[in-house]
This record gives sequence, C-alpha cells and structure tokens, in this order.
Amino acid sequence: DAKTTQPPSMDCAEGRAANLPCNHSTISGNEYVYWYRQIHSQGPQYIIHGLKNNETNEMASLIITEDRKSSTLILPHATLRDTAVYYCIVRDGSYSGAGSYQLTFGKGTKLSVIP
Amino acid sequence: SAVISQKPSRDICQRGTSLTIQCQVDSQVTMMFWYRQQPGQSLTLIATANQGSEATYESGFVIDKFPISRPNLTFSTLTVSNMSPEDSSIYLCSVLPYSGEFRTDTQYFGPGTRLTVL
Repeated sequence: DAKTTQPPSMDCAEGRAANLPCNHSTISGNEYVYWYRQIHSQGPQYIIHGLKNNETNEMASLIITEDRKSSTLILPHATLRDTAVYYCIVRDGSYSGAGSYQLTFGKGTKLSVIP
Repeated sequence: SAVISQKPSRDICQRGTSLTIQCQVDSQVTMMFWYRQQPGQSLTLIATANQGSEATYESGFVIDKFPISRPNLTFSTLTVSNMSPEDSSIYLCSVLPYSGEFRTDTQYFGPGTRLTVL
C-alpha cells in the first residue's frame, strides 16, 4: 500500500472549517483513501473514504486531487469534540486475501480545536 | 456499520500471567482483526482472526504469545500470554461487516482494552 504524509499537528478555531491535508504521491489506481480519527485512547472512528471522486457524508467532505496524489479532509464546522488524531490511510481495494484489508496506520495529524 | 464491544475495557495484570480479551459484534462479519497500540504510538496489526481456521499473524507476532480464537461470525478472543510490562498497550479489535449478502470494505473498531502489566 502507498505511504501517506500528514502534518503532525494543526489547530483550528471552533466553528471554523478544519482542512486536514494528506499527501499520497505513490498511490496506485486500485488504492482508496480512507480517513479515520481517534479521540483520546478510544477506538478509531471511520470518517469517510474515496477513490477519485470527491465524497461527502454527515461527518466530513473528502477532496481528492485530479492526479490523486493528495487529498484534504474537511470538517465544515469544527467543534471541541472534533479534537482528535486524524489518520489518512491508503488501501488497495482489490481483494486478494486478508492482507488486502489491512489498515496501515501512520502517525496522523493531531487536530486541536480551540474555543 | 456494526456495534462492537470489548471486555474487559481495562485491566491491570501481574507479570507472567495471561489475559483473554473478548470482542463481540452485534451482527455477522466476514473478517475480524486484532491491533495493538503501544503508549504514544500508532496502531499495529497483530493478526487476522479467521472463522474455523487458525489466525493469520503479522511479522513479529506469534501464536504462542497471542493465541486467537474465532468460534463464530460474531465473536473472537485474543489472549496475551506470559505478560511483561512491554505488553502494556491498548488492544483493539476491528471488523469488516456484511452489507446484505456482500462484504463491505470499511473496517470498524471496538472501543479497545487498556492493559497495564506491572
């Protein structure tokens, strides 16, 4: 699976949009971009995923560049409860056994939402 | 998605003992996974729990240290054997649910078990 690069930390004012970048310049055609977050010592929470089109759900929007080498997770109106470590993960979507479903977690971005 | 519970939520154990962690899901799932998160670190996959067969372990993890059972499509256990302080971590299970009759591609995680070994 392709590696990802994320800034180690970011701050965002409460009520503003939080834009979390992720670089995945070696991504291949079958690989999806997944975003999870982990609020202090809890299990990771799935946020959103996409292949090449932009995606939106009730939690966030995912913007993937046309060349798919980077993406941005957008939390439209950040709240204090959004303070967490956000993980961008690239995973091969073609199934070839259990190993294809492994999620490789990097260090993520620690987002601090400030009142 | 799926509702996942883990027992115990936390425990403090003595060196040399073993602890079995349970993972229960509210619906049938295709795959179940066990991860470890050491203090201040990211998550590392320990193994994939296969129903009806032996678990598939990642490099650096062995069955004697982390035996896994998966008796059915909604339940799995991970045992941490002969514990040492280096085993102090959060242990997490994750699942790949079915969507109708089809496998989904999104993993969902349990709340974790925080283990401290003295």
